Amino acid sequence: EADIYQTPRYLVIGTGKKITLECSQTMGHDKMYWYQQDPGMELHLIHYSYGVNSTEKGDLSSESTVSRIRTEHFPLTLESARPSHTSQYLCASSEYVMETQYFGPGTRLLVL
Amino acid sequence: KNQVEQSPQSLIILEGKNCTLQCNYTVSPFSNLRWYKQDTGRGPVSLTIMTFSENTKSNGRYTATLDADTKQSSLHITASQLSDSASYICVAQNTGGFKTIFGAGTRLFVKA
Repeated sequence: EADIYQTPRYLVIGTGKKITLECSQTMGHDKMYWYQQDPGMELHLIHYSYGVNSTEKGDLSSESTVSRIRTEHFPLTLESARPSHTSQYLCASSEYVMETQYFGPGTRLLVL
Repeated sequence: KNQVEQSPQSLIILEGKNCTLQCNYTVSPFSNLRWYKQDTGRGPVSLTIMTFSENTKSNGRYTATLDADTKQSSLHITASQLSDSASYICVAQNTGGFKTIFGAGTRLFVKA
């Protein structure tokens, strides 16, 4: 079982609210990732980080932002949530870029 | 264009039977291919990872094969169990790890 955690697991909020999805890992991995996955669809990379103070945008354009102030922590923030942000958000980490990624349980977000 | 295609989209089998899932990829230059298992509402869990020089890798009842010439991979599940019901995701990564492409997955249902 991978030591990577996400909170909250489920979130229902109204349009326009600011939200932060938390992701923490205790494996000391430098590489961390955020994916967005709609039901029955493939994962899309929205953000990644190579280490502290490193953040990059992924393949899928996203209105969210991320920060990496500590190795173990990689939060994702939506400044103003919209119904189009409704999705599952998965956080992952790996020791090296070419190595297996370990995924958290995901956060299911519903924006009304 | 980098992409990963999986087939079938979904599959229903009886408990105890074997099955094979297919994956075609066009990631270039190719580095490695991974198979993940994703239970409903959970994050993906790694099953196997193979580099271009490997053509088979086993993990218990799961056996993955890779043909780097034809750019095809398969995941064979032996003596299926009810707990094998999940989505199986094929992931191809290019050299350097700057591109990680996820397939849409095969949804497997194992019936008693």
